[in-house]
Amino acid sequence: EAGVAQSPRYKIIEKRQSVAFWCNPISGHATLYWYQQILGQGPKLLIQFQNNGVVDDSQLPKDRFSAERLKGVDSTLKIQPAKLEDSAVYLCASSSGQGSTGNTIYFGEGSWLTVV
Amino acid sequence: AQSVSQHNHHVILSEAASLELGCNYSYGGTVNLFWYVQYPGQHLQLLLKYFSGDPLVKGIKGFEAEFIKSKFSFNLRKPSVQWSDTAEYFCAVTVYNTDKLIFGTGTRLQVFP
Repeated sequence: EAGVAQSPRYKIIEKRQSVAFWCNPISGHATLYWYQQILGQGPKLLIQFQNNGVVDDSQLPKDRFSAERLKGVDSTLKIQPAKLEDSAVYLCASSSGQGSTGNTIYFGEGSWLTVV
Repeated sequence: AQSVSQHNHHVILSEAASLELGCNYSYGGTVNLFWYVQYPGQHLQLLLKYFSGDPLVKGIKGFEAEFIKSKFSFNLRKPSVQWSDTAEYFCAVTVYNTDKLIFGTGTRLQVFP
C-alpha cells in the first residue's frame, strides 16, 4: 500500500515569498491533516479536512496560510507571504476515519521549509 | 487546553539497557493515547495506542506502554534497547471523540553499541 506522498521534500525561500506544498493521502482515506513541526517541538495541527470540507482550522494562521482539498483527495498548503518563523517541517497525514477516534493516522515524510 | 508533557528531552543509553520514557497529559475526560516514533530521515510511525481495556499495551518492536489514569501518565518502556531504536519518540493524545492528535515535544533517544 502506498503511503502519504508529499512534495517538495525541501524548499528554501526568502521571507515575504510564497510557497506551496502538495499532499496525496493514502487511497480511500477520507480525512487529511496538515501539521507543522518546528525544530525541537512536537507536530501541531494546522488544519483537518473531512473529504473536501474543513473540520478544524483553529490553529491555521489564516492571514498567511491557506489550504484546500477541492476534490476530496489531494491537498495543497500555501504560505504567502512567508516569515522566518514559518521555518519548519510541514507534515501531511491521513486516516480512513470519519472524524471519530479509533483510526490510525498515517504520516508522510514531510516537506522541510527554510525561510531566510 | 489539553497538553502533553515529555520530560525526557534527550536520553542516551547503551545497548541492552532498559528504557522508560515519561509522558503525562492534562485532560480530565476520556482520552486515547499514542506513541509515535520517527527514525532518522523517516516519517512518523505508530508504535502503539491505547483506546480502552487492558492499560498495559504492547506495540511493535518489543515496546509497551502503561496507562495509569490516576497519574495521567502513559509511559513507554522497553526492557532491552538496540542500536536500531535510535530515534525520536513522541507521545500524543486525542480527546473529545476526535482524531485531533496533540503531541508532546518529543524525546530523542540515542543508543550506543
